[in-house]
Amino acid sequence: AQSVTQLDSQVPVFEEAPVELRCNYSSSVSVYLFWYVQYPNQGLQLLLKYLSGSTLVKGINGFEAEFNKSQTSFHLRKPSVHISDTAEYFCAVSDRNSGSGNTGKLIFGQGTTLQVKP
Amino acid sequence: GAVVSQHPSWVICKSGTSVKIECRSLDFQATTMFWYRQFPKQSLMLMATSNEGSKATYEQGVEKDKFLINHASLTLSTLTVTSAHPEDSSFYICSARDRRVSYEQYFGPGTRLTVT
Repeated sequence: AQSVTQLDSQVPVFEEAPVELRCNYSSSVSVYLFWYVQYPNQGLQLLLKYLSGSTLVKGINGFEAEFNKSQTSFHLRKPSVHISDTAEYFCAVSDRNSGSGNTGKLIFGQGTTLQVKP
Repeated sequence: GAVVSQHPSWVICKSGTSVKIECRSLDFQATTMFWYRQFPKQSLMLMATSNEGSKATYEQGVEKDKFLINHASLTLSTLTVTSAHPEDSSFYICSARDRRVSYEQYFGPGTRLTVT
């Protein structure tokens, strides 16, 4: 079984400041890792994903995340945030086993609200 | 890019009636679709996994007779909330997995259901 913990429910930050949203996961199998963003009353948009290879992953809107296997973490970072980055952010994992029993379902963290202040 | 649509985007219905929500993959074939429910200020809760041509697999605690799922084709899955009650009011989101890219899901824009 897998689980995802987002350590901060809310992160307030001033515009143009750097930000880090923390995500830790637990799994007995190898996983794919994802970060999604959700704006009010909308679906989820993929920010970035880690599948394999380089542990530093770059995504859209200037976000990046680093996969740390030993710490089972996948923290999201942005060096300078904008007001428009205010949204809900979700970390998620899925089983990377390609066997027939793998439905590919995502396990989500609780979400982190990023509040960017002017 | 892969696009998933949902219809309607919002719906208001009376208690006791049924409402159907459609989820379509517009430019790819989806062998698997997922239905989520999201309460305000909360994360997504997986309700069921829908596979084309077979019965949906429901998560523990989700009433399959209340939330009917039909995955009739490789591009369409429907969720019917039967005999709706006010506590069924929620934001329902679907996602679809591209049969060619098994590790990624594409999300629809969601449907806001309000039961009065």
